[in-house]
Amino acid sequence: NAGVTQTPKFQVLKTGQSMTLQCAQDMNHEYMSWYRQDPGMGLRLIHYSVGAGITDQGEVPNGYNVSRSTTEDFPLRLLSAAPSQTSVYFCASIPGGGYTEAFFGQGTRLTVV
Amino acid sequence: DAKTTQPNSMESNEEEPVHLPCNHSTISGTDYIHWYRQLPSQGPEYVIHGLTSNVNNRMASLAIAEDRKSSTLILHRATLRDAAVYYCILIYNQGGKLIFGQGTELSVKP
Repeated sequence: NAGVTQTPKFQVLKTGQSMTLQCAQDMNHEYMSWYRQDPGMGLRLIHYSVGAGITDQGEVPNGYNVSRSTTEDFPLRLLSAAPSQTSVYFCASIPGGGYTEAFFGQGTRLTVV
Repeated sequence: DAKTTQPNSMESNEEEPVHLPCNHSTISGTDYIHWYRQLPSQGPEYVIHGLTSNVNNRMASLAIAEDRKSSTLILHRATLRDAAVYYCILIYNQGGKLIFGQGTELSVKP
């Protein structure tokens, strides 16, 4: 049981490049979400999903796309990377609702130059 | 989405109890109160959660006010390993998104 797995752990992009951050969970959780954490700040919600085929925007969705074709995977796509997207990205999953705990991945540290 | 308010930082001495407060005056009846902590360079880690009654687990205790507008995370004996940022979060019973505030940075002195 691996929990929540994020890949890659580190990435450097040039401005304008695109890439996909991967997030996978093997716990059959319904809800998954993506966050970014800038230095010295709390986590901010980018996008979230309440089940396969259903996604919605969070607090800071601009510049990011998501899809949820399977329960297990929730990739985050950067369409045209900008230096302002330099951050640490975390993925989380939760079985369903607030009555149980959320699980987080170890994060992807992204630098856009 | 209901918001939470926490002090930016707190200090504690090792092996003493720590009480971390959280205000959530706009909480709804179906919001669960969750606490997570984040060690440097790591993802957030679950600590405890509750709805209305006080809760205990091996890591901590959660005291919830009768009107549910505030809660307190209690670490019974702080250790150096408890130094982290602690986040108080409300999670809607039917939803899975977490809205983080700034959290409380806890430092523990030997």
